Amino acid sequence: DQQVKQNSPSLSVQEGRISILNCDYTNSMFDYFLWYKKYPAEGPTFLISISSIKDKNEDGRFTVFLNKSAKHLSLHIVPSQPGDSAVYFCAARSAGTYKYIFGTGTRLKVLA
Amino acid sequence: DGGITQSPKYLFRKEGQNVTLSCEQNLNHDAMYWYRQDPGQGLRLIYYSQIVNDFQKGDIAEGYSVSREKKESFPLTVTSAQKNPTAFYLCASGGQGEAFFGQGTRLTVV
Repeated sequence: DQQVKQNSPSLSVQEGRISILNCDYTNSMFDYFLWYKKYPAEGPTFLISISSIKDKNEDGRFTVFLNKSAKHLSLHIVPSQPGDSAVYFCAARSAGTYKYIFGTGTRLKVLA
Repeated sequence: DGGITQSPKYLFRKEGQNVTLSCEQNLNHDAMYWYRQDPGQGLRLIYYSQIVNDFQKGDIAEGYSVSREKKESFPLTVTSAQKNPTAFYLCASGGQGEAFFGQGTRLTVV
């Protein structure tokens, strides 16, 4: 049973426009959410996180939005750059545990 | 340099042989993790450890074993019981916040 879902396997966006990556989850015990960026044959690198007590967190070009009632989070990248082309994973952690559950990833391609 | 070191980067083994993947961290993190990545399947949790001398199975633990004798080290053994061992293996460590990943080990079983 996939507790963290990224339903879009791929996304293409023009350089300078906004990229919106989506993630849904089913477990209401998740209280901490993260986004990672991954290039082929490398480990994921942490981008941004959000606690369940917030609905928005911003860091430079990256903003994560959390809608707890819908069990949905999204990552906005503005403006998108060619170097943002990578696979993006969302992840979630249950309260009181160190266990991270990852989605299947969305491949973002930013077109120059 | 602080970080997580996985070795080797590429590993080849014959079918039926056990193989151990190394993971070391100097970030003083309590928790360590092993994930496996297959095409189109995202990152799946094999084992994790929240403290020395303790570890828990993840979603796909069958055919794998781990140990956590030191805070800095969390080796993963891929046994001959693992039916599809060829994959990209990722080790991570974390504290209260985000987890940090190593560069991965590509294991190919022939």
